[in-house]
Amino acid sequence: AQSVTQLDSQVPVFEEAPVELRCNYSSSVSVYLFWYVQYPNQGLQLLLKYLSGSTLVESINGFEAEFNKSQTSFHLRKPSVHISDTAEYFCAVSYNFNKFYFGSGTKLNVKP
Amino acid sequence: DTAVSQTPKYLVTQMGNDKSIKCEQNLGHDTMYWYKQDSKKFLKIMFSYNNKELIINETVPNRFSPKSPDKAHLNLHINSLELGDSAVYFCASSQRSSPLHFGNGTRLTVT
Repeated sequence: AQSVTQLDSQVPVFEEAPVELRCNYSSSVSVYLFWYVQYPNQGLQLLLKYLSGSTLVESINGFEAEFNKSQTSFHLRKPSVHISDTAEYFCAVSYNFNKFYFGSGTKLNVKP
Repeated sequence: DTAVSQTPKYLVTQMGNDKSIKCEQNLGHDTMYWYKQDSKKFLKIMFSYNNKELIINETVPNRFSPKSPDKAHLNLHINSLELGDSAVYFCASSQRSSPLHFGNGTRLTVT
């Protein structure tokens, strides 16, 4: 069985500070990994994904995530956050693209 | 040119009523899903259809019945609505080797 754990339900941070949102997964097989962002009253949007190849993946708005197989982690980072990054962030895994398992979400609150 | 669209966006109804939520995707994807997001933002898969065939049916009360008239549409019908059904319901679609694309959600409030 697969599961996804996001250890932090809320992460408050000041603007321009770095941030890391943690994600750990458990799976007995190889998985594909994703981060989604949900802005208020909207659906989830794909932020970035790891399918294979380089373990460091980047998004167009400055976020990056690193797949660490030995630690079964896929933490999301940004070196300098902006007020507009305030949102809920979800980590997800899938091993066959038929079923996707989501973490419980981390609310990123960027303060001025 | 919305990729995954759901209607209605908001749905307020009384206990015991029957309601439907519609979903359409224009991405040409083969697989469509219904997810339920509760008040704590937890996302739980309910159903998945691939080319109109039900492939995932999680532990969901049989008051919930999905229908897929074609691979671009997946509707959700809910009978005898209960207070606990209040949530945001998301439709999503995907294609082999592609991530999920979500609609903007339907906020269902049962009073």
